[in-house]
Amino acid sequence: DVKVTQSSRYLVKRTGEKVFLECVQDMDHENMFWYRQDPGLGLRLIYFSYDVKMKEKGDIPEGYSVSREKKERFSLILESASTNQTSMYLCASSLQSYEQYFGPGTRLTVT
Amino acid sequence: DAKTTQPPSMDCAEGRAANLPCNHSTISGNEYVYWYRQIHSQGPQYIIHGLKNNETNEMASLIITEDRKSSTLILPHATLRDTAVYYCIVRASYNFNKFYFGSGTKLNVKP
Repeated sequence: DVKVTQSSRYLVKRTGEKVFLECVQDMDHENMFWYRQDPGLGLRLIYFSYDVKMKEKGDIPEGYSVSREKKERFSLILESASTNQTSMYLCASSLQSYEQYFGPGTRLTVT
Repeated sequence: DAKTTQPPSMDCAEGRAANLPCNHSTISGNEYVYWYRQIHSQGPQYIIHGLKNNETNEMASLIITEDRKSSTLILPHATLRDTAVYYCIVRASYNFNKFYFGSGTKLNVKP
């Protein structure tokens, strides 16, 4: 079974802090994704990566950056957290163009 | 990618088949139909996908109409653990980064 793990299930940070969300997959997938999920807005793609050190902006990249130094690990960085970044963050991975497998999510609260 | 329409909610008795409909009348020839579900506070879980033929796996069956304008996900013997939001997604095979999750159908399995 594909396993996608995220570093924290729940996280509370203060406004202005730098926040790192880590995601690791164990199936040698090329593609990795970061989404956020908010009530009434569904899942929205923040960034994705199709190879090590490669990244592409998704639909809502503002306020975020990403890092992919190793194939199995994809990090989402909030340079200066703001209250409107309070959300559920979901990481996913996929092999080529096939189905995406999601991690359990990180519920981030910025106060 | 084609849009999908799903009922906002459905009820099903435990042990009975759950039939979840999805309308995708604008689907084009190279677009697949994917189904995911999301149990409360967890990441989405891949269920099944198909192009034009009916598909079955250990979780569910997918029935796609001959004109491909609609499909039905069938959970043959629903259990309480199948209570979740079910998402129907249409996506072209080359758009590996384009998984748009709409509002889905909230399936309530009742004892």
